[in-house]
Amino acid sequence: EDQVTQSPEALRLQEGESSSLNCSYTVSGLRGLFWYRQDPGKGPEFLFTLYSAGEEKEKERLKATLTKKESFLHITAPKPEDSATYLCAVLNNYGQNFVFGPGTRLSVLP
Amino acid sequence: KAGVTQTPRYLIKTRGQQVTLSCSPISGHRSVSWYQQTPGQGLQFLFEYFSETQRNKGNFPGRFSGRQFSNSRSEMNVSTLELGDSALYLCASSIGTAFDQPQHFGDGTRLSIL
Repeated sequence: EDQVTQSPEALRLQEGESSSLNCSYTVSGLRGLFWYRQDPGKGPEFLFTLYSAGEEKEKERLKATLTKKESFLHITAPKPEDSATYLCAVLNNYGQNFVFGPGTRLSVLP
Repeated sequence: KAGVTQTPRYLIKTRGQQVTLSCSPISGHRSVSWYQQTPGQGLQFLFEYFSETQRNKGNFPGRFSGRQFSNSRSEMNVSTLELGDSALYLCASSIGTAFDQPQHFGDGTRLSIL
């Protein structure tokens, strides 16, 4: 059974304090790993898709990386507007079902 | 460009009733997927419709069903509501199939079961 865990559950950073969020997964053949951010009262917003180990993608202050067992979302010099819950999800090669992790709730203090 | 629109935003029902939720995708998007989000279980995939056909389905009972119309608008129906069905129901659309293209989510319908 495909599983996704995320750590930490919650993270508080000072503005400008870089850090990383972890997404660990077990899947029967990875077809894709997805990162989303979700603001309170809103639907998730797509950030990245990663397909194979070693792949990296960047968007503004965010950089996502992928290994065979986990993915990291690196946040460089975060700003208060980066505060949100970050979700990762995996899709296996059978392509039948997204499995989401529980999310990391990030708070960036000014 | 208008985003994904879900109606209604809030809904209160009682056990045993049925409910229909609506989703209008982004113009030009042919795939609509439905998700359930609860504090305990997180975000869970319900099913995906593409060109009016159900393509993929998550692990939910048959009480949860959906359909997609020729204009790509979609509805989700839940019959014989249970207290555990209280959740935020999210709809997402994508240009191609949900598993191959980035999904764009609506802000959800919050369903409360009394």
